[in-house]
Amino acid sequence: NAGVTQTPKFRVLKTGQSMTLLCAQDMNHEYMYWYRQDPGMGLRLIHYSVGEGTTAKGEVPDGYNVSRLKKQNFLLGLESAAPSQTSVYFCASSYSLQGMVMNIQYFGAGTRLSVL
Amino acid sequence: GDSVTQMEGPVTLSEEAFLTINCTYTATGYPSLFWYVQYPGEGLQLLLKATKADDKGSNKGFEATYRKETTSFHLEKGSVQVSDSAVYFCALSDPHTGNQFYFGTGTSLTVIP
Repeated sequence: NAGVTQTPKFRVLKTGQSMTLLCAQDMNHEYMYWYRQDPGMGLRLIHYSVGEGTTAKGEVPDGYNVSRLKKQNFLLGLESAAPSQTSVYFCASSYSLQGMVMNIQYFGAGTRLSVL
Repeated sequence: GDSVTQMEGPVTLSEEAFLTINCTYTATGYPSLFWYVQYPGEGLQLLLKATKADDKGSNKGFEATYRKETTSFHLEKGSVQVSDSAVYFCALSDPHTGNQFYFGTGTSLTVIP
């Protein structure tokens, strides 16, 4: 039972490079989220999706784009990486029951990104 | 807006000591409250939760009580073990904001033998 899987686990980029982080969940969850974790700031929501083909901005969306072409996958893209995007990125998912979103989130192991 | 404030760390305790990590919240509605735990190199895992006032969440010897009057959800454990060393996050989910999660900054706990 894989749960939420994030790839890659580590990545180093140069300023201006682009990359895509992949999140895959095998629990058939409708809701998926991307967070970044920075020292002293906890987790901050970047973007989220309430279903296949839909995305929405979170607290800190600038510099990131997302896509949810398949229900099980949620991609986070950095078009032109900046040193301020050095962080640990977590993906999470949750599900709904009888139309109500269940407020438990299941997290991946994280992607550690450094932008030089 | 909604927010969570939790005790600054790091916290270092001896094995079998009593643990308290304070958490207070601000919310527009009636949120659900959570404690998540992050072990080194891993993602966050749900430790316990409470969905309404006076509920007590418990798991693995940890407890927290939802106190509406003091807007608090303090985490406690009577006797910590070395294996409890981790970062602990308090969080809330507010139905008035579409059940979006708000996390505290995390409290690092180290338990020494």
